Amino acid sequence: DVKVTQSSRYLVKRTGEKVFLECVQDMDHENMFWYRQDPGLGLRLIYFSYDVKMKEKGDIPEGYSVSREKKERFSLILESASTNQTSMYLCASSVGLGETQYFGPGTRLLVL
Amino acid sequence: AQSVTQLGSHVSVSEGALVLLRCNYSSSVPPYLFWYVQYPNQGLQLLLKYTTGATLVKGINGFEAEFKKSETSFHLTKPSAHMSDAAEYFCAVSDLGVEAGTALIFGKGTTLSVSS
Repeated sequence: DVKVTQSSRYLVKRTGEKVFLECVQDMDHENMFWYRQDPGLGLRLIYFSYDVKMKEKGDIPEGYSVSREKKERFSLILESASTNQTSMYLCASSVGLGETQYFGPGTRLLVL
Repeated sequence: AQSVTQLGSHVSVSEGALVLLRCNYSSSVPPYLFWYVQYPNQGLQLLLKYTTGATLVKGINGFEAEFKKSETSFHLTKPSAHMSDAAEYFCAVSDLGVEAGTALIFGKGTTLSVSS
């Protein structure tokens, strides 16, 4: 079975802090994704990566950056956290773009 | 650009009743279609997917969905609801005709409530 893990289930941070969310997959998938999920808005794509060191902006990249130094690991960075970034963050991976995505359990981030 | 519309943000059924969750999509080419389920405080889990071939797709937990090209629909059904089906359900589409860089496009989700 594909396993996607996220470093934290719950995080509480202060406004202005730099926040790192880590995601690791164990199936040698080429593609990895970061979404945020908010009530009534569904899943919105922040960034995705189709190869090591490669990244593409999604629909809502503002205020976020990403890093993929190794194939199995995809990090989401909030350079200066703001209260409007309080959300559920979901990581996913897939063998190919447009193929089935496998999701981690999510990180619920609260920014105070 | 492709898009996904899930009709009804909230659906309530009684235990044992038919479950019908609606999904319509727009796509310029034949798409891949997915249904995911999300239980409280968990990530998304694949229920079923349509790629090519048979238009009636069977998934886990007794769910199935039918791809209807003429209606651009991919509705999710289950003949008899169980209390454990209470969750949020997401429909998603991928448009493989688009250049590399396309991820899945998700609908806004439908919350299914099941009463006893």
